[in-house]
Amino acid sequence: NAGVTQTPKFQVLKTGQSMTLQCAQDMNHEYMSWYRQDPGMGLRLIHYSVGAGITDQGEVPNGYNVSRSTTEDFPLRLLSAAPSQTSVYFCASSTLGGAGYFGPGTRLLVL
Amino acid sequence: AQKVTQAQTEISVVEKEDVTLDCVYETRDTTYYLFWYKQPPSGELVFLIRRNSFDEQNEISGRYSWNFQKSTSSFNFTITASQVVDSAVYFCALSEVPYSTGANNLFFGTGTRLTVIP
Repeated sequence: NAGVTQTPKFQVLKTGQSMTLQCAQDMNHEYMSWYRQDPGMGLRLIHYSVGAGITDQGEVPNGYNVSRSTTEDFPLRLLSAAPSQTSVYFCASSTLGGAGYFGPGTRLLVL
Repeated sequence: AQKVTQAQTEISVVEKEDVTLDCVYETRDTTYYLFWYKQPPSGELVFLIRRNSFDEQNEISGRYSWNFQKSTSSFNFTITASQVVDSAVYFCALSEVPYSTGANNLFFGTGTRLTVIP
């Protein structure tokens, strides 16, 4: 099992560009989520999904979109990148109510 | 609203010393889960433990132990005989899992950076 995978590992964007961060899991987990990690602030929830076709907002959803067309994939879209979105992004998955398993992270720099 | 406080921003210890990382949480729910994650310098998040609110038994796993006290809303983590490989940022997290959705949203503390000096 690969667990939770994320691509790319590192990305540089210019302000205003859009991009999609990919997340996939092979554990058949219903729950998937995206977090961002900023210095001194821990991890904060952006969006989450409790199953294919079901998504909801977390603590910091502005500027991000998600969709969940399959159980395995949960991409995060940046609509128009801003320097404030410079961060490390983590995807996580779990069974409903279970312990979360995190991907390796994507480091994003917006210039 | 839920909240997790890790008051210790950074801790340094000499190898083989014991160290306790503090975690205090706030929640209005009676059912919740508490977690500890380790983030080594390589950056990945490593799951250490999950504890539900109905289980106040302390847990020991090798050199790691956890003390959960609902009376003080604390879930402290102790490393015994610390080693250099324990150097990392440690996060405490809280999850209130709605019965209706099962959404396991985690609320993280700001982390404690532990440095173990050889």
